[in-house]
Formats: sequence, C-alpha cells, structure tokens
Amino acid sequence: QQQVKQSPQSLIVQKGGIPIINCAYENTAFDYFPWYQQFPGKGPALLIAIRPDVSEKKEGRFTISFNKSAKQFSLHIMDSQPGDSATYFCAASGPSGGSYIPTFGRGTSLIVHP
Amino acid sequence: NAGVTQTPKFRVLKTGQSMTLLCAQDMNHEYMYWYRQDPGMGLRLIHYSVGEGTTAKGEVPDGYNVSRLKKQNFLLGLESAAPSQTSVYFCASSYRHTEAFFGQGTRLTVV
Repeated sequence: QQQVKQSPQSLIVQKGGIPIINCAYENTAFDYFPWYQQFPGKGPALLIAIRPDVSEKKEGRFTISFNKSAKQFSLHIMDSQPGDSATYFCAASGPSGGSYIPTFGRGTSLIVHP
Repeated sequence: NAGVTQTPKFRVLKTGQSMTLLCAQDMNHEYMYWYRQDPGMGLRLIHYSVGEGTTAKGEVPDGYNVSRLKKQNFLLGLESAAPSQTSVYFCASSYRHTEAFFGQGTRLTVV
C-alpha cells in the first residue's frame, strides 16, 4: 500500500514556466511534509518542508501548498530554470508506534528546457 | 563536517556473493535508514534504526540484514546477492522528525 502518491512521474517545461508536482497521503498522523531534490549521481537533499499548521510556505522560487482536509500537498517552482532539472521527491512522516519514519513518493523527473 | 558517508561507491558482485555496505554519520543522529532506489519506484525503505542496538524492517527487507552496533554506523549486509538486488543504495540519518540527510549512494550491480 503506497502511503504517499506522487504525480506526475515526469514533467517537461520551458524556462520560466511553473511546474507543479502533487502528492497525496493517507495517514492522518503524518505531520511533517518535506520535498527533496536529487541531481544525477547524488543523494537527495532537503529542498523545503512544511508542517500542517500552515497552508503555504515559500522559500525563494519554491512554494509548498498544503491542503489538510484533502490530504494533499504540492510543490510549485516559480520562474523555473534549466538548473532546476532534477528528480523531486515528496515525503511524509509522523508518529507511528513511537517512531517517525519518512515515507517517500515515487519521484518526479523534471526537465526544464532553456 | 562530512555528514553521511557511504562506502563503497560502486561495486559489482557475482550472484551468490556476499558484501557489506557501510554508512557512517557524524551528526549524532538517532535515526538511520537504508533505502534502495530503482527507476520508477522511488526510494524504498529496506531497514531502519531508531537508536544504537536497535533495527527494524522496512518495506523491502528480504535478502538484507543490518546492524547498528555503534550510534554513528549502520551496516547493510547482503548474504547471497541476487540480480534483483542490482540497485542504487542510499543511507540516510535524521534527528527524529526532521530533515533526513542522505549519503552519496552506492551503485551495486549483481551479475
């Protein structure tokens, strides 16, 4: 059972476009929702994260929108650049049996054309 | 500050051989994880540990064993490698409910 569903699997945009990646979760105990960015040959690295007490968080050109009632959250990349081409993972974690083990989506491969 | 270090970075094994992947972190994190990454499958949790001397199974534990004898180290063992274990393996660590820090990965090919 996939606890975090991510879409789309791949995304191609032109420079300056606004790619949007969506994630949906099932476990209402989740209370930490990070996005990770991974470049080829590297490990994922935290990009931005949100907790459910806010509906939006912005860091530079990256914005997370969070809808608690719908159990969905999304990543928006404003004014996308070729350097943003990477794989993006959403994740979610929360208390489960005393542990906080993150569950990842399957990833979105983003290509930004010049 | 090295963060999370994985060794080796690349390895080719023959079917049936065994090997151990080492993960070391210098951030004093309680939580450590082993993931495998396969095309279209994202990051799947193999095993994890919430503290020294403790380990637990993740989503895809079959064929793997782990040990956490020291807080800073988390070892992943393959007792009898199979071609289905060809993958990129990532170790990560975190302080409970916060950012996970990943290593650079180990690319393993089983022939």
